[in-house]
Amino acid sequence: QSALTQPASVSGSPGQSITISCTGTSSDVGGYDYVSWYQQHPGTAPKLIIYAVTHRPSGVPDRFSASKSGNTATLTISGLQAEDEADYYCNSRTNSGTWVFGGGTKLTVL
Amino acid sequence: EVQLVESGGGLVQPGGSLRLSCAASGFTFSDYWMSWVRQAPGRGLEWLANIKQDGSERYSVDSVKGRFTISRDNAKSSLYLQMNSLRAEDTAVYYCTPQDAGYSYGHPYWGQGTLVTVSS
Repeated sequence: QSALTQPASVSGSPGQSITISCTGTSSDVGGYDYVSWYQQHPGTAPKLIIYAVTHRPSGVPDRFSASKSGNTATLTISGLQAEDEADYYCNSRTNSGTWVFGGGTKLTVL
Repeated sequence: EVQLVESGGGLVQPGGSLRLSCAASGFTFSDYWMSWVRQAPGRGLEWLANIKQDGSERYSVDSVKGRFTISRDNAKSSLYLQMNSLRAEDTAVYYCTPQDAGYSYGHPYWGQGTLVTVSS
């Protein structure tokens, strides 16, 4: 039940695109399409921005997209905006019936 | 409007116990798997445990197994987390959150969390 592996930090300038990877194993990310992504601004609760690997809840800008290949899921934010600066977490079901988050990635908009 | 109000947090000594509660409203509580997620100060999110709609299935991570027990009362639309043998590393904000099948069991709703501090 180790945390999924995410880069500790990524950065980009406004208008650019960034990607955040989330690497697990065949027992979690690779084995299920139950991968979601969360955005968390300081002092606030997490916000669901991607579910079922690629789907965006209504209200989430289409600048946010995601995919999965093998044991790695990837979140892409295009047309970076200042308000995108936040922490991002991936989450996946595991084959033991539990769920696991990634360690989190701090996005800095330069 | 969905509301999740966690309560029961506070300062407790190592080895002590606390019972967290979560009052849910704005959705049919009995239709959802419910989870507890925590976040230690300055750290990431950690999924702890969940419980099926009728309480017949429960899952938890190894770090809390045998110490924390998740339960629910559908008549009261409430979720609970009984925490025993608390350790300093259990210090965190604890969130109650439903797993929505419509979002492939993702968590679209969150409460404000309740802070648990384990310290002597």
